[in-house]
Amino acid sequence: QLQLQESGPGLVKPSETLSLTCTVSDASISSSSYYWGWIRQPPGKGLEWIGSIYHSGSTYYNPSLKSRVTISVDTSKKQFSLKLSSVTAADTAVYYCARGCYEFWSGSYPGYYFDYWGQGTLVTVSS
Amino acid sequence: DIQMTQSPSTLSASVGDRVTITCRASQSISSWLAWYQQKPGKAPKLLIYRAFILQSGVPSRFSGSGSGTEFTLTISSLQPDDFATYYCQQYNSYVPYTFGQGTKLQIK
Repeated sequence: QLQLQESGPGLVKPSETLSLTCTVSDASISSSSYYWGWIRQPPGKGLEWIGSIYHSGSTYYNPSLKSRVTISVDTSKKQFSLKLSSVTAADTAVYYCARGCYEFWSGSYPGYYFDYWGQGTLVTVSS
Repeated sequence: DIQMTQSPSTLSASVGDRVTITCRASQSISSWLAWYQQKPGKAPKLLIYRAFILQSGVPSRFSGSGSGTEFTLTISSLQPDDFATYYCQQYNSYVPYTFGQGTKLQIK
């Protein structure tokens, strides 16, 4: 059974960089059928897609966060990572990693839904 | 961005009721829509993808329909385990992928 596990600091200071890693168990991160994504949820609010990566290293980011986000992958360790720079209190959220199940190619971008999610990790931005 | 609007935001119902949640897209997304269930303190769980395909292991009382801009999630006979928050998500195009604001299904 596929498992995803987020790890990283639970507290980040304003203006610093948030760094999280997702470790994938019992599945290949190099499969051609999947993308690997990050989604966040501020306390008491809805879900926001941050970005995704393919095992080749191709990345897709939410335009609203693109200037601050970097997602990378290490296939040998079966991990992918999120870095979000210049954080503020508005970045306080539960951060989830998830597997994107590929459905189609739009011409420029892939379309996928998220079939497996990590348990989530709360990251608080505060001094 | 494609805006996803769910209605109602909150729904009160009883065990055994048939309930329907609606999700409307600000532009056509064909059938590229997923539904998730989320319980407090837990990650979302995929219920339906491509608007109507039931994810493996999901009870058959859940069903999805619609295409274009209007979609529905129906639970045919509510069970105690179904009280949760439900989200729709469009994945028609990378503009970005967006979620509805959620519908909280609570016990009447």
